[in-house]
Amino acid sequence: SQQGEEDPQALSIQEGENATMNCSYKTSINNLQWYRQNSGRGLVHLILIRSNEREKHSGRLRVTLDTSKKSSSLLITASRAADTASYFCATDGAGGGATNKLIFGTGTLLAVQP
Amino acid sequence: DAGVIQSPRHEVTEMGQEVTLRCKPISGHDYLFWYRQTMMRGLELLIYFNNNVPIDDSGMPEDRFSAKMPNASFSTLKIQPSEPRDSAVYFCASSTLGNNEQFFGPGTRLTVL
Repeated sequence: SQQGEEDPQALSIQEGENATMNCSYKTSINNLQWYRQNSGRGLVHLILIRSNEREKHSGRLRVTLDTSKKSSSLLITASRAADTASYFCATDGAGGGATNKLIFGTGTLLAVQP
Repeated sequence: DAGVIQSPRHEVTEMGQEVTLRCKPISGHDYLFWYRQTMMRGLELLIYFNNNVPIDDSGMPEDRFSAKMPNASFSTLKIQPSEPRDSAVYFCASSTLGNNEQFFGPGTRLTVL
């Protein structure tokens, strides 16, 4: 089964609105990352949050991490049509030990209507 | 830097043929990953290398799949013989540390008829 599972699977909003996506994972992690994938393209890294961090910001992106609930959320504020893409969380979970690979979730498909 | 380079971008082949996908990672990156993406199974890690050495190939579906990294700037993923169920988009990614930010190539869309 997937280490990370995003919720919702699909989200449709109007331009200017905020979009929130959630990710749940199963094992302890060292860090959690969010990636974006535009249709027909490779994944692009957005932000990395470490297990000892609770919140991180990057431009219009805000990521939170709750290790007690094994969950993370990605908030995109003031969304734009160009934000239309699939968003994936990725964890390096292996019980907290050092790992050298990421496990990607199932993704949330975000559609921002102009 | 041009980023991760993959070739070909599209490949259409007949069942039973050999397919070779190629990847050039970002210079200086010690880790190289091969992923497969399908609608049904999502993004799956097939194999990854550290300093040209295969570390974990547990995601390789079967013996028909093989991967090599003869030097720090080149890797191949080979499928022999190919089957229709191998149709997918194959991504190569590289990073400085395995669990750090990964840089993805544009992918190779493989169609096996």
